[in-house]
Amino acid sequence: AQKVTQAQTEISVVEKEDVTLDCVYETRDTTYYLFWYKQPPSGELVFLIRRNSFDEQNEISGRYSWNFQKSTSSFNFTITASQVVDSAVYFCALSGINYGGSQGNLIFGKGTKLSVKP
Amino acid sequence: DSGVTQTPKHLITATGQRVTLRCSPRSGDLSVYWYQQSLDQGLQFLIQYYNGEERAKGNILERFSAQQFPDLHSELNLSSLELGDSALYFCASSTGTVMSDTQYFGPGTRLTVL
Repeated sequence: AQKVTQAQTEISVVEKEDVTLDCVYETRDTTYYLFWYKQPPSGELVFLIRRNSFDEQNEISGRYSWNFQKSTSSFNFTITASQVVDSAVYFCALSGINYGGSQGNLIFGKGTKLSVKP
Repeated sequence: DSGVTQTPKHLITATGQRVTLRCSPRSGDLSVYWYQQSLDQGLQFLIQYYNGEERAKGNILERFSAQQFPDLHSELNLSSLELGDSALYFCASSTGTVMSDTQYFGPGTRLTVL
């Protein structure tokens, strides 16, 4: 069965601190994709990044960086020099092959609520 | 703005009633997905349509049904509503049906069942 675990339910930091959000996944597929989404207080889900299972290169986008380690089945997300606007719930998600052969639907973790205080 | 639209934004109804949620995908996207977000279950996949045909089903109750129309908009019908159906319902769209497709989400419809 496919599963995504975000063990950190809530994290609180002070502005300018670095923070890492953990994501651990389970799948038997050799090919799969991992995603991160952000849900700000307004409620919408905003796509942040997509990574396939064959690309273990770390990725950096501004203050955001992602560390994918297949050996530990982890896809962690780091925000450098956090800002109040980063306050949101962050979801990690997995897309693979479902029972029955279909693919595409996302399996989400429970999310990590990040609060950045000024 | 993801380009995915959902109406209505909020819906308040009573137990036993039936409601319809509407979603219009991004221009050019053929796949529509429905997800339910609740406090106890988190974000759960309900159902997927591609170009008018059902492609995959997740944890969707028998009281719920969906369809995708020729103009590619989709509707999620929830009937015999129960208190536990109160949740945020998201629609997402993508270009195709493969696992590499990025899904873009609409703003959601918040359903409250009283």
